[in-house]
Amino acid sequence: DQQVKQNSPSLSVQEGRISILNCDYTNSMFDYFLWYKKYPAEGPTFLISISSIKDKNEDGRFTVFLNKSAKHLSLHIVPSQPGDSAVYFCAASAGNTGNQFYFGTGTSLTVIP
Amino acid sequence: DTGVSQNPRHKITKRGQNVTFRCDPISEHNRLYWYRQTLGQGPEFLTYFQNEAQLEKSRLLSDRFSAERPKGSFSTLEIQRTEQGDSAMYLCASSLAQGAFGNTIYFGEGSWLTVV
Repeated sequence: DQQVKQNSPSLSVQEGRISILNCDYTNSMFDYFLWYKKYPAEGPTFLISISSIKDKNEDGRFTVFLNKSAKHLSLHIVPSQPGDSAVYFCAASAGNTGNQFYFGTGTSLTVIP
Repeated sequence: DTGVSQNPRHKITKRGQNVTFRCDPISEHNRLYWYRQTLGQGPEFLTYFQNEAQLEKSRLLSDRFSAERPKGSFSTLEIQRTEQGDSAMYLCASSLAQGAFGNTIYFGEGSWLTVV
């Protein structure tokens, strides 16, 4: 039962353009969402998070948008840089059982110089 | 500010052998998690500790797996009688839990296990 889904396994974007990575979830109890970036053979690195009381959170080039009614969140990277090339995972947790984080299967982003 | 530390980073073992991984969390973090990741998948939850108490275990954690966190500091994950299906990256993460809401978990670099 995949509660967090990333339906695009890969994405290619030109350097300087916007990268948009999408994530859908099924559990309406999820109230905290995170994005992680992962390079091969390394652990995931935390990028940005958003709680369900917000619909947008921004940190530098990274912005996460949350649409609760659609159970959808997205990560925008502007401008995209070659160093952003990595696998991006979204994750979600439910406050009342905030111990377990559910991850999507990841989207591999390639930023073309 | 040291991050989550895991060792060994890589382990190749023969089927049937036992292996143990160690995780040292970020020092002030009271929660520690173990996840497993295989190729093409996201991290899958295995178990979690709050201080020294193991509070939750996934059904993925078979009887051959055991995790401990003595004294609420470092943690070990032992896999007994390894099988080829155990080959994966084992990820440790930690967080400073301030209530159940909005905890961010920080991962270590992972321990690769290859069972031959």
